Amino acid sequence: DIQMTQSPSSLSASVGDRVTITCQASQDISNYLNWYQQKPGKAPKLLIYDASNLETGVPSRFSGSGSGTDFTFTISSLQPEDIATYYCQQYDNLLDMYTFGQGTKLEIK
Amino acid sequence: QITLKESGPTLVKPTQTLTLTCTFSGFSLSTSGVGVGWIRQPPGKALEWLALIYWDDDKRYSPSLKSRLTITKDTSKNQVVLTMTNMDPVDTATYYCAHGVWGSYRFDYWGQGTLVTVSS
Repeated sequence: DIQMTQSPSSLSASVGDRVTITCQASQDISNYLNWYQQKPGKAPKLLIYDASNLETGVPSRFSGSGSGTDFTFTISSLQPEDIATYYCQQYDNLLDMYTFGQGTKLEIK
Repeated sequence: QITLKESGPTLVKPTQTLTLTCTFSGFSLSTSGVGVGWIRQPPGKALEWLALIYWDDDKRYSPSLKSRLTITKDTSKNQVVLTMTNMDPVDTATYYCAHGVWGSYRFDYWGQGTLVTVSS
């Protein structure tokens, strides 16, 4: 199985800060990497797909980059409504399975 | 507008079989490239992918749970059913179904989730 390492597990930042979360795959996953936001008690929401594509309707302060094994998710200017847990999700095209990262809980400082 | 909604028991006993139904609207599971997946989340823990069924009835399962899972679809009813056998308290979780996109392998629409508790 491809292992996903998401870091950090938690993060505290101030409104207006630039926030970065990383996901590292144990093997090359091309660009099969998506990012989700989950607010407490709610279902996850897709923000970024195929590593760098912004889902329709998602604010442009969210972005993603990377390919192969190393991926980055960025919030360019943190807003109070961005408080949530963020997950990366990869697709293993050899085993045809999906794996989520362990999540990053983002809090306001 | 795509919507999905999970239904099923909120409480099951250990060793019992769980049957969950995902009823969806706004898309057809006979359309090429479409899939419906199941993902669960134990309280306070991370998301875990369980299974996915594609428009062509191809099915994929989490290797660690494959022996316990069965996913089926009823295209005429716009439903996908997941069964999980031999339930254990560690299977207590919120279970989500989600619309999947083949080729991009993303889940772009999610149901609200249903909490299943396993307890005697």
